Amino acid sequence: GAVVSQHPSWVICKSGTSVKIECRSLDFQATTMFWYRQFPKQSLMLMATSNEGSKATYEQGVEKDKFLINHASLTLSTLTVTSAHPEDSSFYICSARATGSTDTQYFGPGTRLTVL
Amino acid sequence: QKEVEQDPGPLSVPEGAIVSLNCTYSNSAFQYFMWYRQYSRKGPELLMYTYSSGNKEDGRFTAQLNRASQYISLLIRDSKLSDSATYLCAMSADGAGSYQLTFGKGTKLSVIP
Repeated sequence: GAVVSQHPSWVICKSGTSVKIECRSLDFQATTMFWYRQFPKQSLMLMATSNEGSKATYEQGVEKDKFLINHASLTLSTLTVTSAHPEDSSFYICSARATGSTDTQYFGPGTRLTVL
Repeated sequence: QKEVEQDPGPLSVPEGAIVSLNCTYSNSAFQYFMWYRQYSRKGPELLMYTYSSGNKEDGRFTAQLNRASQYISLLIRDSKLSDSATYLCAMSADGAGSYQLTFGKGTKLSVIP
């Protein structure tokens, strides 16, 4: 149980284009999902907290107009990187907290974004 | 001082060795403590979860929490090649409502034949 999937697992795009990453909880409902970014040899940095049916809460320094988050259902959250630039190249990981659970988060396998 | 300190390593041990990984924290509001294992280019996988002081054992893994000294540790016994990964400690504050995790930088472990 507690499986989280991400799609795509790997994407390469041209500078200026937008990329959408999906995060799904496969066998549980997730009221809250989180989006992280991880640079090589660095730890996970929280970008935003996504609550089903409401606007996402962004961490300081994260541009909400650049990183659009939608959490339309209890099993799906999407992150759209708009007008991507090479400095946006990173490993993006989502996690989900099961409804009614404690603070345990289950992570997706990550999406590696390369912007040329 | 960062809220969570973790030695990034790298740490290299032979198969069968006992490995101890540690994190210290400065935020006394942290109530929940987790250890995640992350293989290269993969998402973190939850290994252990604890909120009580003392030891929690799961197979070859033992998580220890010492609230008085504000540190947690992960003990791996009889280490195997498949244990080679980066181990991340993570913590969250009780009653925060946001359930946000604060991660350590991770310790890269290599188990060698």
